[in-house]
Amino acid sequence: GAVVSQHPSWVICKSGTSVKIECRSLDFQATTMFWYRQFPKQSLMLMATSNEGSKATYEQGVEKDKFLINHASLTLSTLTVTSAHPEDSSFYICSASPVGRGNGYTFGSGTRLTVV
Amino acid sequence: GQQLNQSPQSMFIQEGEDVSMNCTSSSIFNTWLWYKQDPGEGPVLLIALYKAGELTSNGRLTAQFGITRKDSFLNISASIPSDVGIYFCAGLLAGGTSYGKLTFGQGTILTVHP
Repeated sequence: GAVVSQHPSWVICKSGTSVKIECRSLDFQATTMFWYRQFPKQSLMLMATSNEGSKATYEQGVEKDKFLINHASLTLSTLTVTSAHPEDSSFYICSASPVGRGNGYTFGSGTRLTVV
Repeated sequence: GQQLNQSPQSMFIQEGEDVSMNCTSSSIFNTWLWYKQDPGEGPVLLIALYKAGELTSNGRLTAQFGITRKDSFLNISASIPSDVGIYFCAGLLAGGTSYGKLTFGQGTILTVHP
């Protein structure tokens, strides 16, 4: 149990376009999901906390207008990178935790974004 | 922001050797998690620790939640080539504004030579 599905696994887009990444909890409900960014050979950096039915909370230094988060249901959160630039190229990973099953957060398989 | 100090940064070992890595912090955590990440994949949970002093095993892996709640270690016994990857510790702070958010260590890159 506790499977998190992330889609797409990789995407290449042109500068100036927007890209949407989906994060789904397949066998549990998640009122909270988290979005991370990871550069090569570095640790995961929390970008924002996605809250079902309310606004996401962003970490310091993360532009909320650039990284739009929508958590419209208990099983789906989306991250949209708007007006993408090459410096937005990175590995984006989401995570979620089943309510009542402790704090063993489950991660999606990640999305490799390349902006050309 | 808050960060865990994870060491060593990298390890090169021979197949069959045991491995030990640890994480320390100046803050108190109420949960410690150990993850393994393969290239191009998300982290996979290996062991979760919820109580100070807790010692938990998962096959060849053993992890402990430090008594002070400020540290944790992960041991891998009799390493095999498929143990290669990046290992991360992660913790949940006991309170404050970071409550509910995972804090990650910098990672330990493990290379196993056959």
